[in-house]
Amino acid sequence: DAGITQSPRHKVTETGTPVTLRCHQTENHRYMYWYRQDPGHGLRLIHYSYGVKDTDKGEVSDGYSVSRSKTEDFLLTLESATSSQTSVYFCAISDAWTGRQETQYFGPGTRLLVL
Amino acid sequence: GQQVMQIPQYQHVQEGEDFTTYCNSSTTLSNIQWYKQRPGGHPVFLIQLVKSGEVKKQKRLTFQFGEAKKNSSLHITATQTTDVGTYFCAAYSGAGSYQLTFGKGTKLSVIP
Repeated sequence: DAGITQSPRHKVTETGTPVTLRCHQTENHRYMYWYRQDPGHGLRLIHYSYGVKDTDKGEVSDGYSVSRSKTEDFLLTLESATSSQTSVYFCAISDAWTGRQETQYFGPGTRLLVL
Repeated sequence: GQQVMQIPQYQHVQEGEDFTTYCNSSTTLSNIQWYKQRPGGHPVFLIQLVKSGEVKKQKRLTFQFGEAKKNSSLHITATQTTDVGTYFCAAYSGAGSYQLTFGKGTKLSVIP
């Protein structure tokens, strides 16, 4: 498995509280992604990053923000968590330095429950 | 945006039976990838197909990319309990894109 860790692995929070999820990689890959996975919806892209301080929105970005201050870390923040954001969140990385459409490697996931 | 439709959503098979999942797109794909996710796990890359009509095999798994590059399939011969999981196809949104769009997956159950 690629060197990707996510923290925390499980979190329970209350509606209206801020939450930050961390993704850390040791592969020096350029691209990092945040997905959410919900039953019946598969994997949906929230935000992605193509370099330090370079980020872009995905399919379901409303209510989420991201930051990438270092190559190895990509943070996902829920400014004010809602019950609809209860989900499993996966971070992924890809080595797209060559410009080819590369394989993505996934972290172990974070299970978030918003009460 | 790019959409990939995957069927069936669920498949229950007796151990030893074959299994196939299909992925379709309304637009021509530059390539297609397949991932497997075990229950409670994370998606793991299986293979990437790039060429029109390409067929690749990994032991009991056969992957095909359609001639028009709009569809793909994954076929498992003689399923085993270790094949249990959800299989996803995924395609990049255009030739220069770095956004991967996933199908909703096919969840395979294998009855021993």
